[in-house]
Amino acid sequence: EAGVAQSPRYKIIEKRQSVAFWCNPISGHATLYWYQQILGQGPKLLIQFQNNGVVDDSQLPKDRFSAERLKGVDSTLKIQPAKLEDSAVYLCASSSWDDQETQYFGPGTRLLVL
Amino acid sequence: AQSVTQLDSHVSVSEGTPVLLRCNYSSSYSPSLFWYVQHPNKGLQLLLKYTSAATLVKGINGFEAEFKKSETSFHLTKPSAHMSDAAEYFCVVSVGGNEKLTFGTGTRLTIIP
Repeated sequence: EAGVAQSPRYKIIEKRQSVAFWCNPISGHATLYWYQQILGQGPKLLIQFQNNGVVDDSQLPKDRFSAERLKGVDSTLKIQPAKLEDSAVYLCASSSWDDQETQYFGPGTRLLVL
Repeated sequence: AQSVTQLDSHVSVSEGTPVLLRCNYSSSYSPSLFWYVQHPNKGLQLLLKYTSAATLVKGINGFEAEFKKSETSFHLTKPSAHMSDAAEYFCVVSVGGNEKLTFGTGTRLTIIP
């Protein structure tokens, strides 16, 4: 079974530029999550999708962050414009309908904003 | 509200000696508890999870954890450390079947040859 795929693995941008991350969850997993992990901290949930609908985006800075999962499979997370404090690892995870507590994580995208 | 506290930010042990990573939790309801491991430049991998069945939970790579309700603890142990165990370990809690996970701040495990 293929795991959660993410791209790119690394990205360096200047502040005020825009960036997008892509995630393809495990096949058949209805729930998809985006997390932000700042250096030295545990991951923090940004947004949770159930199929193509948003379940929880309470921690998403909506003035600059957006995410979509149009066909209920893969997802993109966008930051526009980026700030220095957005430097972090962005993790995507997915879980199945019958075991939503067990989340499987991708390798992450490491973003550096200069 | 739910939370976890990882009592040590950094633990160093010699190869072949026991590992103990400590975690206390706070929850208004019966929690589900997890340990995840993160190797450098890799994603998070589930080591083990507790979901109100047996209080002693066995995971992958020889790790295990014991749920102690009276102490609100869920410490991770391994009898004999291996060099490949060097990584960051996260204690995680969720409550009431809600799939929202709350992560601790992590414990970095260093293995001394």
